[in-house]
Amino acid sequence: GESVGLHLPTLSVQEGDNSIINCAYSNSASDYFIWYKQESGKGPQFIIDIRSNMDKRQGQRVTVLLNKTVKHLSLQIAATQPGDSAVYFCAESQIQGAQKLVFGQGTRLTINP
Amino acid sequence: GAVVSQHPSRVICKSGTSVKIECRSLDFQATTMFWYRQFPKQSLMLMATSNEGSKATYEQGVEKDKFLINHASLTLSTLTVTSAHPEDSSFYICSAILGTINYGYTFGSGTRLTVV
Repeated sequence: GESVGLHLPTLSVQEGDNSIINCAYSNSASDYFIWYKQESGKGPQFIIDIRSNMDKRQGQRVTVLLNKTVKHLSLQIAATQPGDSAVYFCAESQIQGAQKLVFGQGTRLTINP
Repeated sequence: GAVVSQHPSRVICKSGTSVKIECRSLDFQATTMFWYRQFPKQSLMLMATSNEGSKATYEQGVEKDKFLINHASLTLSTLTVTSAHPEDSSFYICSAILGTINYGYTFGSGTRLTVV
C-alpha cells in the first residue's frame, strides 16, 4: 500500500539460514506484485514478481507467496549469503489502468557471519 | 535488457536555485515514466506519473509547480526541482515502462540531491 514515513524494520539472520520478509498491501484492486532489493545509494533491483492469479512463484533461491485473502506477500530467500544484505521492498500495481507502482515500507536484511 | 540512464547521480545546489534531473530510456521507448523520492531509511514515495506528450499526473501532496516534469519524447523525461530548499534534499529515482507492465518496470540509478 502507500508507504508511510516510518523507519525501516530490520531482520537479522545467520549466514546460510533462510530469510522470510513479509509485506502487507492495502489496495485490493492490485493484481501485480514485485519484490525489489535496494543497496545503499542505488536504484531498486528486480528480484521476483507474481500476478494475482498465482499464490506462489519460485526463482533462484527466492520464493514469493501471495495471500490475497489477507492482502499479504512474503519473500523467502534460501541459504542467505552476505550479498543478500540490503533493503527489500514489496511493490504493487495494476496490470490495467494507471499502472503506477506503489512501494511498501521495506525491510532491512542483515546477514550475520 | 532495458536500461534507463539517470543523470546526474549526485548534485549539490544552493538554496533557491533549480535543479534538473534527466532520465533516458536507452534501448526502448518509454511510454510512461514514474518519478519517486526517497528520504533516508524510508521507502520510495511516488511523486508523479508522466506520459509522453501529456501533462504529468501528480500524487496527492506533491506540488506540481515545484516539481516540474517534462516528458517531451519517448526516450526522455526530466524532473526540475524549482527554488530548491534544504528539505528537498533527497534521493530521486525514475522508472519507465514500455506500453504495458508486461515488460516490467525499469529503474534509473537515482540522483542524490543535496540543497545547501
